[in-house]
Amino acid sequence: GQNIDQPTEMTATEGAIVQINCTYQTSGFNGLFWYQQHAGEAPTFLSYNVLDGLEEKGRFSSFLSRSKGYSYLLLKELQMKDSASYLCAVLDSNYQLIWGAGTKLIIKP
Amino acid sequence: IAGITQAPTSQILAAGRRMTLRCTQDMRHNAMYWYRQDLGLGLRLIHYSNTAGTTGKGEVPDGYSVSRANTDDFPLTLASAVPSQTSVYFCASSEGTSGDNEQFFGPGTRLTVL
Repeated sequence: GQNIDQPTEMTATEGAIVQINCTYQTSGFNGLFWYQQHAGEAPTFLSYNVLDGLEEKGRFSSFLSRSKGYSYLLLKELQMKDSASYLCAVLDSNYQLIWGAGTKLIIKP
Repeated sequence: IAGITQAPTSQILAAGRRMTLRCTQDMRHNAMYWYRQDLGLGLRLIHYSNTAGTTGKGEVPDGYSVSRANTDDFPLTLASAVPSQTSVYFCASSEGTSGDNEQFFGPGTRLTVL
């Protein structure tokens, strides 16, 4: 079966750094996405990784290790507006997206 | 520029009734998708379309149908709603059809079937 695992919930402090992990077991791999979803809103795209390594985009970075079936999203200089759910999704061998249940990130002042 | 819109925003529906959720995009994207999102579960693909005139089944297609008469519109129909179809429904679109493009999501429709 196909499986995407993420922590259900994480808490961090404003101004700090947080790392949200995602592990996957899928039939094939054609890339990994991270999306942000604020409560009651639609998901919005954050990043796409298809090769191993770290990709940085402002305060957000995403890392991929294909051999380990592992990715993380790193958020720096946390702001209250970063309180949201973060969704990990893997593009499988059929080019279908398999979504994790998401990690709810709570930022405390 | 609206991007991608959905209607209605929310709906309460009696079991057994027919319901069509509307989705329209103005980005001229080729691919469109319908997902449902349930608490504790990831987004699950219901149906998709890679271009006008073609549709395909996703992970959970039973009880749902779609059509793609033109590029912009991708309605989702529940022929006879059941309580297990209570969910938040998201329509999405992407420029490419290979799946490795960013998907743009509509605001969602919250559907309750009683």
